[in-house]
Amino acid sequence: QKEVEQDPGPLSVPEGAIVSLNCTYSNSAFQYFMWYRQYSRKGPELLMYTYSSGNKEDGRFTAQVDKSSKYISLFIRDSQPSDSATYLCAMSARGGNQFYFGTGTSLTVIP
Amino acid sequence: GAVVSQHPSWVICKSGTSVKIECRSLDFQATTMFWYRQFPKQSLMLMATSNEGSKATYEQGVEKDKFLINHASLTLSTLTVTSAHPEDSSFYICSAPRGSTGGYTFGSGTRLTVV
Repeated sequence: QKEVEQDPGPLSVPEGAIVSLNCTYSNSAFQYFMWYRQYSRKGPELLMYTYSSGNKEDGRFTAQVDKSSKYISLFIRDSQPSDSATYLCAMSARGGNQFYFGTGTSLTVIP
Repeated sequence: GAVVSQHPSWVICKSGTSVKIECRSLDFQATTMFWYRQFPKQSLMLMATSNEGSKATYEQGVEKDKFLINHASLTLSTLTVTSAHPEDSSFYICSAPRGSTGGYTFGSGTRLTVV
């Protein structure tokens, strides 16, 4: 079993839709959770960073962590064509050296 | 803040030659730099972790003599792909911890094509 599971998609939604991206994990020691956005041929860009359980909101983006279910989510409200990218979840046990990525979900927002 | 500058962004080289990729932390000190490789439509795979002033730690299956990592200063880490072969063609990305702000910041990546 992989440390982190993420549906690769592709996911296609109309502009303005609410997008839900998810990852599950198996290691109960994970405490630091991140979401990255990666445009084609570019390095990942940090979107959200959360510690332990709970919600965090930043503009149109909301990250949720449910440690009891080992499940994290990223919600994008009022999605825009510029949100079209691959979204990677990442997590680590201590915020230190070793952290694990999901395979990424490819999102296309259609105008 | 917490910007990592990675160069070159793309490079084409002949088989058997060596290629150096640089990552610089521009506005913070990066005592640790992670080097990743990403194949098309796949996630990032950690290759090695470099620490300023000490030897890099390589992940299982990564040839340390082929992928030379140097972390000479608190702002510069380099990855040299030696005797490159076509199978080394990939997207290489560096990343450093952002310190008190949390998370990790990535370089823009280097697309290496070996012909």
